[in-house]
Amino acid sequence: AQTVTQSQPEMSVQEAETVTLSCTYDTSESDYYLFWYKQPPSRQMILVIRQEAYKQQNATENRFSVNFQKAAKSFSLKISDSQLGDAAMYFCAYRSAYGGATNKLIFGTGTLLAVQP
Amino acid sequence: DGGITQSPKYLFRKEGQNVTLSCEQNLNHDAMYWYRQDPGQGLRLIYYSQIVNDFQKGDIAEGYSVSREKKESFPLTVTSAQKNPTAFYLCASSIPRTTAQRNEQFFGPGTRLTVL
Repeated sequence: AQTVTQSQPEMSVQEAETVTLSCTYDTSESDYYLFWYKQPPSRQMILVIRQEAYKQQNATENRFSVNFQKAAKSFSLKISDSQLGDAAMYFCAYRSAYGGATNKLIFGTGTLLAVQP
Repeated sequence: DGGITQSPKYLFRKEGQNVTLSCEQNLNHDAMYWYRQDPGQGLRLIYYSQIVNDFQKGDIAEGYSVSREKKESFPLTVTSAQKNPTAFYLCASSIPRTTAQRNEQFFGPGTRLTVL
């Protein structure tokens, strides 16, 4: 079974600085998708960024980028120029590309990011 | 605007009572999901449905039931058999994976259930 591990329960960053959130996963599959979701205090889950395992190029969305290391099964999220609105719980998630039509997401336990003014 | 709505936002239940959480989407998505969120445990899948009139158990289905009579609606019933129902419940929807490989899940705003 696949698992997702986020080893940093809490992180803190100064406004305008850069922070990296860690995520590792375990799978025997070669094709899959990885996601970072943000959950602000409103508790609405928002997709931040996605990565297809078959793509070597790291995904980027404005100030958010990932460092995808397939061999190491690592998928870290880098937030550049941190803003107060980035303060939230961040979840890493895995989805298999196999196994029928199930679009099941497997989530890590989350990292709570605080942004200091 | 298209989206997913969940109601109510807060729900209180007495022990031994069944309660139903509503989830409606107007995104024309075929697939819908229910997750439970507990502190320190991330999100866990309760039930999912890929198409109307069909649904499957997720990882923690015991004590829950669902129905999928309409494409737009996927209500979740928390029964008295659920031993620890106090949690935050999130509903999500997506286009089936076979249609679009890059599809993501869109989430509703959630329902906080508290058992008194």
